[in-house]
Amino acid sequence: GNSVTQMEGPVTLSEEAFLTINCTYTATGYPSLFWYVQYPGEGLQLLLKATKADDKGSNKGFEATYRKETTSFHLEKGSVQVSDSAVYFCALRRTGGGADGLTFGKGTHLIIQP
Amino acid sequence: KAGVTQTPRYLIKTRGQQVTLSCSPISGHRSVSWYQQTPGQGLQFLFEYFSETQRNKGNFPGRFSGRQFSNSRSEMNVSTLELGDSALYLCASSLTAPGTDTQYFGPGTRLTVL
Repeated sequence: GNSVTQMEGPVTLSEEAFLTINCTYTATGYPSLFWYVQYPGEGLQLLLKATKADDKGSNKGFEATYRKETTSFHLEKGSVQVSDSAVYFCALRRTGGGADGLTFGKGTHLIIQP
Repeated sequence: KAGVTQTPRYLIKTRGQQVTLSCSPISGHRSVSWYQQTPGQGLQFLFEYFSETQRNKGNFPGRFSGRQFSNSRSEMNVSTLELGDSALYLCASSLTAPGTDTQYFGPGTRLTVL
């Protein structure tokens, strides 16, 4: 079946540090890949997505590249801010006929200290 | 454009009762999915509706059910509540048919079962 593996954390960084959150996946076919972010007390917000191999998703300074050969979709940001503190979820979804819901990783709790 | 709305935001029930949660998708979106979020199991897919028909279903017991109305609004029902049903229930909507489009999440309904 489908699965997503990501570091759970918490990951603690200082402001302006470089961020990498690793995400690897197992899936049949060619899934679409997503990063969602959840701030305290809120639902999930789509951060970025990629729908095919070598696609790069980007938003708000965050980037992730769909690497089919390593089945990975690592999230990166060059300089984090205190406001980036949140839980980040990597997710996949099979596309096309017979597609089911999103499969999520366990989430990575990110804490940015001033 | 208004986002996905969920009502109520908070709910407290006792074991054995039943509960109905409501979700209004983004205007124009025709697909609605439901997810359960718990600290132990993380985010898990419940079911997905499109054009008033359940298109996909996750691995949950029959106590969990849902439906979608002609205006795309959706409800989910949990009967004979158990303590383990305490969770954040998230609704997500997407524009078109399942598996083809990005899902946008609401703020969730926090259900506490005593």
